[in-house]
Amino acid sequence: AQSVAQPEDQVNVAEGNPLTVKCTYSVSGNPYLFWYVQYPNRGLQFLLKYITGDNLVKGSYGFEAEFNKSQTSFHLKKPSALVSDSALYFCAVRDRSDSNYQLIWGAGTKLIIKP
Amino acid sequence: DGGITQSPKYLFRKEGQNVTLSCEQNLNHDAMYWYRQDPGQGLRLIYYSQIVNDFQKGDIAEGYSVSREKKESFPLTVTSAQKNPTAFYLCASRPPQGRAEAFFGQGTRLTVV
Repeated sequence: AQSVAQPEDQVNVAEGNPLTVKCTYSVSGNPYLFWYVQYPNRGLQFLLKYITGDNLVKGSYGFEAEFNKSQTSFHLKKPSALVSDSALYFCAVRDRSDSNYQLIWGAGTKLIIKP
Repeated sequence: DGGITQSPKYLFRKEGQNVTLSCEQNLNHDAMYWYRQDPGQGLRLIYYSQIVNDFQKGDIAEGYSVSREKKESFPLTVTSAQKNPTAFYLCASRPPQGRAEAFFGQGTRLTVV
């Protein structure tokens, strides 16, 4: 079965330190990979995606993610965390062969940045 | 501004009542989706529509109904058959390209009282 795992329910980071939010997936073939962010009581905002090419993808608000095909991972990173980065982060995957273009979602990781 | 508008933001319903959540988009997207979000869980797909006058059940369609009479609109009705309707509901739309990301509305929080 296709799935996305975000192994950490919560990640705590001090402001100014680098952050990593982990995502691994189990999808047949080469997937499209996405990261979204959600602030309390708001909809999801798109951060970045991997389609093809360079394994390091840069996105909004200084975030980046590294696609690792051998480890089937797509970890979200930021060199220096801000308190305003505190939010809920979702990883999602789409199978390129799925004609319905359905997204498979991780359960989300709560990121807390402490001043 | 282009985007997706969900209304209302907060909704209270008495047990046994049907309630309809609105979702309107002006992005000219063919595909639209309804998700349910519960604490500690990822998004679960309720219904989706790839084109006007057509829609498909998602993973948790029981107790919900939708219509897609116009490209811009994809309302979701939470019926009395839905046993645990209290949740945060998210509507999304997407361009036709498979590589395209989805765009989300701001959500509707439904509470059964």
